[in-house]
Amino acid sequence: NAGVTQTPKFRVLKTGQSMTLLCAQDMNHEYMYWYRQDPGMGLRLIHYSVGEGTTAKGEVPDGYNVSRLKKQNFLLGLESAAPSQTSVYFCASSSGGLLEQFFGPGTRLTVL
Amino acid sequence: EDKVVQSPLSLVVHEGDTVTLNCSYEVTNFRSLLWYKQEKKAPTFLFMLTSSGIEKKSGRLSSILDKKELFSILNITATQTGDSAIYLCAVVVGTASKLTFGTGTRLQVTL
Repeated sequence: NAGVTQTPKFRVLKTGQSMTLLCAQDMNHEYMYWYRQDPGMGLRLIHYSVGEGTTAKGEVPDGYNVSRLKKQNFLLGLESAAPSQTSVYFCASSSGGLLEQFFGPGTRLTVL
Repeated sequence: EDKVVQSPLSLVVHEGDTVTLNCSYEVTNFRSLLWYKQEKKAPTFLFMLTSSGIEKKSGRLSSILDKKELFSILNITATQTGDSAIYLCAVVVGTASKLTFGTGTRLQVTL
């Protein structure tokens, strides 16, 4: 049981480049989430999904897109990276309801 | 706008001390409150609190929720260097079980 995995672990982009972060979970969870963590800001929700084929905006969705084509995967895309998107990105999943979210190990993204 | 505030922002204690971390919240559609510990990487789950006044306990850690006054505390007794971490408080809101996080308390335990 790998839990929640994220790829890549690190990435450096130049302003304007695009990339996709992949999150995968093997716990058969319905709900998946993308957060970013910045110093002094805590974790903030970017987008989330309550099931395969569904997505919704979180607190800070601008500049990001997501897709949930398969239940086990949740992709986060940056179409045109900006330095303000330099952050650590965490994916999480849960069974929903009042159950806790399980987090992946994070992706450290730097945009120059 | 949903808000979760943690205090203190950071704390340095000696091994063996007892610490209390605070979390207050103002949210709509409260469902539960979670505590996580974050060392170098992903946050790891500590407690979930849904009812007022019922203490959750795990070893030297304990937590309680007050839904009337809208706060929770996390206590750590007989601290050890391995307790050094950022402690995150998060509130579950809405039917999609979204988490609203506080900024965290950075705890450093010294010898």
